[in-house]
Amino acid sequence: EAGVAQSPRYKIIEKRQSVAFWCNPISGHATLYWYQQILGQGPKLLIQFQNNGVVDDSQLPKDRFSAERLKGVDSTLKIQPAKLEDSAVYLCASSLSTGRNYGYTFGSGTRLTVV
Amino acid sequence: LAKTTQPISMDSYEGQEVNITCSHNNIATNDYITWYQQFPSQGPRFIIQGYKTKVKNEVASLFIPADRKSSTLSLPRVSLSDTAVYYCLVGGYSGNTPLVFGKGTRLSVIA
Repeated sequence: EAGVAQSPRYKIIEKRQSVAFWCNPISGHATLYWYQQILGQGPKLLIQFQNNGVVDDSQLPKDRFSAERLKGVDSTLKIQPAKLEDSAVYLCASSLSTGRNYGYTFGSGTRLTVV
Repeated sequence: LAKTTQPISMDSYEGQEVNITCSHNNIATNDYITWYQQFPSQGPRFIIQGYKTKVKNEVASLFIPADRKSSTLSLPRVSLSDTAVYYCLVGGYSGNTPLVFGKGTRLSVIA
């Protein structure tokens, strides 16, 4: 079974620039999550999709972050404009809508450095 | 969601058994206890999940006392490749409930 694919693996941008991350979940997984992981901390949920609808985006800084999941498959996360504190690893995860949480699969993440 | 407390870091020599304990005093009746492992430059990976007593798989064992206010992840005969961060998560998770991570325990295995 193919895992969760994310790209790019690394990205360096200057503050105030924009950046986009892409995620392709496991085939058939209806639920998709984006997490932000700052160095030394555990992952923090940014947004959850169920198919192509948003379930929870309460922790997404909507003034600069946006995400979409067109057609209920791939998803993109965008930051515009980026700030220094956005430097982190952005993880995408997917899961079946049913079953326990051992069904979650994470991608390897995109490491963003804002300079 | 129940708050979890686990050590920030642990060191171990290769070949030893490592036990990481997690406290979750406010665990709810329908909560499960799940442990994830994260290697550098990778996303977290499921290790083991349990509700009560003992669970064992090919990677680890999970011990949960009767009051369920704590749990212990046991890694038998660790190797250098077990160096990672280990997260204890508690919740009544279904497939569409987000995982809530704490800071985890950074395990360093020394040769």
